[in-house]
Amino acid sequence: GAGVSQSPSNKVTEKGKDVELRCDPISGHTALYWYRQSLGQGLEFLIYFQGNSAPDKSGLPSDRFSAERTGGSVSTLTIQRTQQEDSAVYLCASTSLSGSGYNEQFFGPGTRLTVL
Amino acid sequence: SQKIEQNSEALNIQEGKTATLTCNYTNYSPAYLQWYRQDPGRGPVFLLLIRENEKEKRKERLKVTFDTTLKQSLFHITASQPADSATYLCALKNNAGNMLTFGGGTRLMVKP
Repeated sequence: GAGVSQSPSNKVTEKGKDVELRCDPISGHTALYWYRQSLGQGLEFLIYFQGNSAPDKSGLPSDRFSAERTGGSVSTLTIQRTQQEDSAVYLCASTSLSGSGYNEQFFGPGTRLTVL
Repeated sequence: SQKIEQNSEALNIQEGKTATLTCNYTNYSPAYLQWYRQDPGRGPVFLLLIRENEKEKRKERLKVTFDTTLKQSLFHITASQPADSATYLCALKNNAGNMLTFGGGTRLMVKP
């Protein structure tokens, strides 16, 4: 595809349920990021994948959050036992490695998660 | 602690004027700084990158300055148009690590 895609675009779930959010990065991009954006707030870094290296999970807010990236492409962010404070827009971004380091990030449209 | 600060109050300006947005940071050794535009319901879109050894970057009606002494970047939109109305985010890449850290964004409203 031409850009980063995310699914679903909207997800409403009940407190305590598990959810999976999917990200399809731009083909060939080696790095993939997940962010969370609460209403009217900036982006909060969650996790970063680069090639086959171990992911940087330093931004995950709790052990209920996990992510994987299969085959260096598609990524899934899983939130277990969702809480109301997990309600936010979850954004995925990918980027390619240039000679000077990582440059612009290409963002998907996000998944709006609402936990009732 | 590390902080990236943008004015959380919306900036309202008249069409045709120059909009100036500010991004201040503390306790970073930046490799580069980026500016993004975000429209409601959409992901951010990259606008400009400026490296730590660059003072100024221009792209069409956009100009970014980077003062590592003041620890500040200014983002200017000249001859502003209502279509420029959006939230503008600055993001900073430290020399160490791979992470891009975003400021909270400033909402710009350009009135006709």
